[in-house]
Amino acid sequence: DAGVIQSPRHEVTEMGQEVTLRCKPISGHDYLFWYRQTMMRGLELLIYFNNNVPIDDSGMPEDRFSAKMPNASFSTLKIQPSEPRDSAVYFCASSPAGNTIYFGEGSWLTVV
Amino acid sequence: AQKVTQAQTEISVVEKEDVTLDCVYETRDTTYYLFWYKQPPSGELVFLIRRNSFDEQNEISGRYSWNFQKSTSSFNFTITASQVVDSAVYFCALVGGAGSYQLTFGKGTKLSVIP
Repeated sequence: DAGVIQSPRHEVTEMGQEVTLRCKPISGHDYLFWYRQTMMRGLELLIYFNNNVPIDDSGMPEDRFSAKMPNASFSTLKIQPSEPRDSAVYFCASSPAGNTIYFGEGSWLTVV
Repeated sequence: AQKVTQAQTEISVVEKEDVTLDCVYETRDTTYYLFWYKQPPSGELVFLIRRNSFDEQNEISGRYSWNFQKSTSSFNFTITASQVVDSAVYFCALVGGAGSYQLTFGKGTKLSVIP
């Protein structure tokens, strides 16, 4: 079975550019999560959706970050404009009802 | 507030040694779930186990075993006869409350298995 699929795996961009990260959750999973991992802060939840509806976006750092889930099989996390401090690994994850959360391979973002 | 503490930042063992990774948690929820994830050098996060707060049975899966003790709020992970492929960062995590999906992660323990 396919796991959570993220793209791109690696992205290097210049400060000020828009970055869009993409995620395809595991089919049938009702919950989708975006996490960020940095050395300083570890793994942090940014936002999560249930049945395509954002439930908790309190972890989104600031207005430069936005996330959408237009349908059950696709989500995006957008950063506009990007800054060097946004450099991190961004994980998408999904879960069926039942609390076990499965992660994608991550998108490694570097903003120079 | 919930908290997960992995006091061991880094551990090095020689191949075939047993190693235990410690995890201590704090939560006010009576219903909660505990997890272990593995992050190998390639970077992905791999789910290893989930345990709910009502199930204190220890679990064994091959060379992996987990010891859940509510009395000490601990959920420790033991690898028996470690192998080089076990080298990774291991994260303990907690979800508190029925219907909650917000994982609180520990800082992780980096395990290096030396051939």
